[in-house]
Amino acid sequence: TAGITQAPTSQILAAGRSMTLRCTQDMRHNAMYWYRQDLGLGLRLIHYSNTAGTTGKGEVPDGYSVSRANTDDFPLTLASAVPSQTSVYFCASSDRADEQFFGPGTRLTVL
Amino acid sequence: KNQVEQSPQSLIILEGKNCTLQCNYTVSPFSNLRWYKQDTGRGPVSLTIMTFSENTKSNGRYTATLDADTKQSSLHITASQLSDSASYICVVTPANQAGTALIFGKGTTLSVSS
Repeated sequence: TAGITQAPTSQILAAGRSMTLRCTQDMRHNAMYWYRQDLGLGLRLIHYSNTAGTTGKGEVPDGYSVSRANTDDFPLTLASAVPSQTSVYFCASSDRADEQFFGPGTRLTVL
Repeated sequence: KNQVEQSPQSLIILEGKNCTLQCNYTVSPFSNLRWYKQDTGRGPVSLTIMTFSENTKSNGRYTATLDADTKQSSLHITASQLSDSASYICVVTPANQAGTALIFGKGTTLSVSS
């Protein structure tokens, strides 16, 4: 079982460009989440989806969008990247409210 | 405001020594408290989980304690190994809340040296 996979592993992106971070889980979890992790700030929730077809905003949603067309995939899109979006992005999924399983992360640098 | 504070921010210990990491929280009421281990360049992995009614939970050389009265938790690592070098994150789930309401601490970075 792969669990949660994320792609790409890392990316350097020019400011103003768009990009989609991919996340796929094979655990059939209903809920999925996107976090960003910055030094000194810890993990912050960007967007979430409680079930396929629904999404919601987290603590820091501005500049990001998500979609949940099916149970397994939860892509995160940056429409026009800015340097402040330089971060490590983690996707997570859960079958209960509290136990979340995290992917390996995507390290994004926006120049 | 619900908060989770961890201390120390970072810690360096010699291999074989014990150490204790602290987590203070203001989340109330809460349903459970979890400790995650995050290796460098990896995602967090759950180590222990305790409900509000539990006082201690062990996972090998890791022992977590919880004092719901003082709103404090600790993670004790016994006979540390080089592989224990990681960031340890305390996470509290508010009662009757969905997974979107998890309150994350900023983590303690532990370095174990030989």
